[in-house]
Amino acid sequence: SQQGEEDPQALSIQEGENATMNCSYKTSINNLQWYRQNSGRGLVHLILIRSNEREKHSGRLRVTLDTSKKSSSLLITASRAADTASYFCATEEETSGSRLTFGEGTQLTVNP
Amino acid sequence: DGGITQSPKYLFRKEGQNVTLSCEQNLNHDAMYWYRQDPGQGLRLIYYSQIVNDFQKGDIAEGYSVSREKKESFPLTVTSAQKNPTAFYLCASSPRTVYNEQFFGPGTRLTVL
Repeated sequence: SQQGEEDPQALSIQEGENATMNCSYKTSINNLQWYRQNSGRGLVHLILIRSNEREKHSGRLRVTLDTSKKSSSLLITASRAADTASYFCATEEETSGSRLTFGEGTQLTVNP
Repeated sequence: DGGITQSPKYLFRKEGQNVTLSCEQNLNHDAMYWYRQDPGQGLRLIYYSQIVNDFQKGDIAEGYSVSREKKESFPLTVTSAQKNPTAFYLCASSPRTVYNEQFFGPGTRLTVL
């Protein structure tokens, strides 16, 4: 079964609004990563947060991690039409070595 | 120009045929991965390799085979034993240490006719 589960499955917003996506997981992790996928393309890494970190920023992205609740959120501020894509969380479990387990993703649509 | 390449972009095969998907990287990464993605779904791990001449099964290895004879290459063979092979296949690589992002290729879309 999938380690990470994203919520919501789909999100539609207007340009300029903020978008928040959530991810829950089940086991102890070394880190949690967020990736972006444009339709029919490969994934692009956005941000990695370690298990001992609680918040991380990168440009318009803000990621939080709550290991007690086994959950993470990705906030995209001041969204643009170009942010339209699928967003996936992926966890590196403590016992898994370098392999990642991906969630099923959130499809974000930003309307101009 | 560093990166990870997959070929072909689109692949069609007849039922009962084996087919090999190519994945090459010039990032000098030790680890390489193969994922399958079905429409509207996340990625599922097929096989991964953390070092040359070694590889491990992922979550859905049945009907697939791989080899890792060179550091830069990790081809995936979809065999006739794979009952539902039509999918989007993604290859990735990463340095073989903790806290590493994975770098993805553009993917190969396989359709079985």
